[in-house]
Amino acid sequence: NAGVTQTPKFRILKIGQSMTLQCTQDMNHNYMYWYRQDPGMGLKLIYYSVGAGITDKGEVPNGYNVSRSTTEDFPLRLELAAPSQTSVYFCASKPRGGGYTFGSGTRLTVV
Amino acid sequence: KNEVEQSPQNLTAQEGEFITINCSYSVGISALHWLQQHPGGGIVSLFMLSSGKKKHGRLIATINIQEKHSSLHITASHPRDSAVYICAVSQYGNKLVFGAGTILRVKS
Repeated sequence: NAGVTQTPKFRILKIGQSMTLQCTQDMNHNYMYWYRQDPGMGLKLIYYSVGAGITDKGEVPNGYNVSRSTTEDFPLRLELAAPSQTSVYFCASKPRGGGYTFGSGTRLTVV
Repeated sequence: KNEVEQSPQNLTAQEGEFITINCSYSVGISALHWLQQHPGGGIVSLFMLSSGKKKHGRLIATINIQEKHSSLHITASHPRDSAVYICAVSQYGNKLVFGAGTILRVKS
């Protein structure tokens, strides 16, 4: 049982480049989330999904897109990377009424 | 004012000491979560509480719904407990609101 798997663990992007952060869970959880964590700050919700085919914006969605074509996968897309998107990104999942399982994070630097 | 406030922000303890981290919140919640994050590491869920008290090993979490307050206690602290402890509340709608975290350092 792998839990929540995020790839890559580290990435350096140039301004204007695009990339997809991958997130997969094997626990059949309905709910999935993307958070960003900036130094000294609490986690901020970017996007979330309550099930396959359903996504919704969180607190800080600008510059990001998501899709949820399957229960297992919830990729996060950055279309035009900006220095303000330098952060650590965490994916999480939870079952209905249950606790959260977090991935190990992706450290992204935009230069 | 943040919806979830933690205190203290930083805490240094000697090995073996009893540690308390506090969390106050100002919104209606369906549950409160305590999370642990080691430096450069991922986030681990320690407890999910909606009432009363839970214990896991040397960790104890309590919540007082009327006072909108929770505490995380660590008994017989150890250097490996050094981490950031994060309080988060689930609002109705299955979204988390996070506190800023408490940085704990336990010295041997």
